[in-house]
Amino acid sequence: EAQVTQNPRYLITVTGKKLTVTCSQNMNHEYMSWYRQDPGLGLRQIYYSMNVEVTDKGDVPEGYKVSRKEKRNFPLILESPSPNQTSLYFCASSASMATNEKLFFGSGTQLSVL
Amino acid sequence: AQSVAQPEDQVNVAEGNPLTVKCTYSVSGNPYLFWYVQYPNRGLQFLLKYITGDNLVKGSYGFEAEFNKSQTSFHLKKPSALVSDSALYFCAVRPGSARQLTFGSGTQLTVLP
Repeated sequence: EAQVTQNPRYLITVTGKKLTVTCSQNMNHEYMSWYRQDPGLGLRQIYYSMNVEVTDKGDVPEGYKVSRKEKRNFPLILESPSPNQTSLYFCASSASMATNEKLFFGSGTQLSVL
Repeated sequence: AQSVAQPEDQVNVAEGNPLTVKCTYSVSGNPYLFWYVQYPNRGLQFLLKYITGDNLVKGSYGFEAEFNKSQTSFHLKKPSALVSDSALYFCAVRPGSARQLTFGSGTQLTVLP
């Protein structure tokens, strides 16, 4: 089954404790992206990757890191989480952004930073 | 910079009635427009997209959307709403030159039995 898999589904942590949210897709997609969803603000893009070893900042990249060492994986790293990073996070992938292929989304990671 | 506005946070409609979820956009150049739906505790799912051609596009689950260039709008419609259509709907836009989608703030659709 074609899917985007995020882990964990829920995460509670404390300020300053490094964490990683994993994202994996099994569709051989070139494009991958991370979004955060906050009430009243919709989805805002954190980082995206057009292909392996190619990453770019989205609209809200501060406090986040990503890497794309393999085509299927695109982990999101919070090296020193803060309470304002409490949010619902989604990973998404697409065969190609340039040709407007649809995005496939993971089920989300609800992060709480205390 | 591109932007998307969904002017209604909440839309309520009776089952069997037509529904409309509004979206307006602002971009430089030709826009590529999308609608996604989010059911509770799930990721977003693609509904439909407008790239070029016919201004009326049809998508999944009986939804359609009309591209209106003069009004810079891309409203989502369905002739007869179902209770199962109740969900959060997002409009998104990508200018031709951009490598990312910009999403609206979302509209919660509630279909009342």
